Amino acid sequence: AQSVTQLDSQVPVFEEAPVELRCNYSSSVSVYLFWYVQYPNQGLQLLLKYLSGSTLVKGINGFEAEFNKSQTSFHLRKPSVHISDTAEYFCAVSDRGSSASKIIFGSGTRLSIRP
Amino acid sequence: EPEVTQTPSHQVTQMGQEVILRCVPISNHLYFYWYRQILGQKVEFLVSFYNNEISEKSEIFDDQFSVERPDGSNFTLKIRSTKLEDSAMYFCASSSAGTGSSSPLHFGNGTRLTVT
Repeated sequence: AQSVTQLDSQVPVFEEAPVELRCNYSSSVSVYLFWYVQYPNQGLQLLLKYLSGSTLVKGINGFEAEFNKSQTSFHLRKPSVHISDTAEYFCAVSDRGSSASKIIFGSGTRLSIRP
Repeated sequence: EPEVTQTPSHQVTQMGQEVILRCVPISNHLYFYWYRQILGQKVEFLVSFYNNEISEKSEIFDDQFSVERPDGSNFTLKIRSTKLEDSAMYFCASSSAGTGSSSPLHFGNGTRLTVT
């Protein structure tokens, strides 16, 4: 079984500052990793995903994440945030080898941007 | 870009009543999912559906819950006798292939269910 831990429930940052949202996972099998974003009153939107290959993954809106197998982490980063990045961010994992495998979400990190 | 649509956006029902949440997945997708998010909590998996049958379900998805694909386009979640603790945002999702093949889930905007 897989699990995802997002250590920070809330992260406040100033506009144009860099941000890192932390995610650690545990699994007994190989996994795919995802970051989803949820803007207020909206559904979940895929930000980026790690499937294989390069451990640095670039997503939409200037976000990127780095897969670290030894630390079982998949932290999300952005060098300079904007007010529009205010949202809830969910790290997620799914079993690589199983079709129709569910995605397991972390508890989410609320990113709030201060002007 | 095609999207997953959910109706209604907000449903209020009385405890003990049956409720049906409706979803229209993306047309060429084959895998369908329901998730829920209780206010302020994490997004929880309920059920996955493929080839007209349930592929996997969580412990939350008890006998009060059922899913159906009544025609070629709709995917519904029925709660037979709602409880107060069923109040949550319910998200439908679909993908073109199973998540095990890396196909991402496309989510609808959700139905907020309020049980009074």
